[in-house]
Amino acid sequence: EAQVTQNPRYLITVTGKKLTVTCSQNMNHEYMSWYRQDPGLGLRQIYYSMNVEVTDKGDVPEGYKVSRKEKRNFPLILESPSPNQTSLYFCASSSLITRTDTQYFGPGTRLTVL
Amino acid sequence: DAKTTQPNSMESNEEEPVHLPCNHSTISGTDYIHWYRQLPSQGPEYVIHGLTSNVNNRMASLAIAEDRKSSTLILHRATLRDAAVYYCILRDVGSGNTPLVFGKGTRLSVIA
Repeated sequence: EAQVTQNPRYLITVTGKKLTVTCSQNMNHEYMSWYRQDPGLGLRQIYYSMNVEVTDKGDVPEGYKVSRKEKRNFPLILESPSPNQTSLYFCASSSLITRTDTQYFGPGTRLTVL
Repeated sequence: DAKTTQPNSMESNEEEPVHLPCNHSTISGTDYIHWYRQLPSQGPEYVIHGLTSNVNNRMASLAIAEDRKSSTLILHRATLRDAAVYYCILRDVGSGNTPLVFGKGTRLSVIA
């Protein structure tokens, strides 16, 4: 089954404790991205990647890092989380070859930073 | 991406058809009309997209006005599982490397 998976689904942590949220897709998609969703602000893009070793900032990249060492994986790294990064995070992927531009989203990771 | 306008909320009875409107008067000739939905506590989910002609898939139908300034997502028989926020998004062809811009969407409630 074609899917985007994220882990963990729920995470409570404390300020300053490094964490990684994993994202994996099995559709051989070139494009992957991370969004955060906050009440009243909608979905905002954090980082995106157009292929292996190619990443770029989205609209709200401060406080986040990403890497794309393999095509299927796109982890989101919070080196020193702060309470304002408490949010619902979604990973998404799409094909740049088919040009249908359909994005597939993961189930979300709800992060709470105390 | 060009702007879209949707009603904040709509309500439907279960088993009845639902027509969700979207206005996009500034649409350009190369903009595709995409619909996504987000069920409670889930990630956004692709529903359907089209350019000029009406489109059907297993989830829904998309009716596009002749002047393309508006479109309607049609759920033929609403179920409780269709209760979600529905987003109408315009995407220029070749904009695959840019983020989806989700507006406020239409919150659909389905009454049993």
